[in-house]
Amino acid sequence: DVKVTQSSRYLVKRTGEKVFLECVQDMDHENMFWYRQDPGLGLRLIYFSYDVKMKEKGDIPEGYSVSREKKERFSLILESASTNQTSMYLCASSPRLAGGNEQFFGPGTRLTVL
Amino acid sequence: DQQVKQNSPSLSVQEGRISILNCDYTNSMFDYFLWYKKYPAEGPTFLISISSIKDKNEDGRFTVFLNKSAKHLSLHIVPSQPGDSAVYFCAASSDYKLSFGAGTTVTVRA
Repeated sequence: DVKVTQSSRYLVKRTGEKVFLECVQDMDHENMFWYRQDPGLGLRLIYFSYDVKMKEKGDIPEGYSVSREKKERFSLILESASTNQTSMYLCASSPRLAGGNEQFFGPGTRLTVL
Repeated sequence: DQQVKQNSPSLSVQEGRISILNCDYTNSMFDYFLWYKKYPAEGPTFLISISSIKDKNEDGRFTVFLNKSAKHLSLHIVPSQPGDSAVYFCAASSDYKLSFGAGTTVTVRA
């Protein structure tokens, strides 16, 4: 079974703090993704990575950065957390990018910024 | 602007009956369409997909229909079971990206 794990299920941070969300997958997938899920908006892509040290912006990259130093690990960084970044964050991985690329999701991290 | 829309936020259906979930899209370049199912406190899991060159794909109780001229797809679940109670996301693929709808919460009543 593909397994995608996220470091925390729930996280509470203060405005201005630097926040790290970690994601690890065990299926040797090339591609990894970070989404945020908000009510009424579905899942929106923040960043994705198609190889180690490679990254591409998604639809809403502002206020976020990412790091992929190892194939199995993809980190999302909030340099200075703000209240509008309170959300559910979902990590996913995929063996390929094109053609109906089924993505495998982690359980999510619910981040609250106070 | 959202390129994939699920206009019904919720659906309630009796056990054993058919559930029909709808999804509309605006981008004619989408080449695959996928449905994901999400339980509370879990990540979405892949359910079924359809290529843009097909109009129907069936997998057990789940069937997805695609109407390209109307830019519309639907997911049929027959018969609905209590374990089908979840949030269902429609997603569309173009190049490397998946664009998701807002989701439809399905409740199956006993």
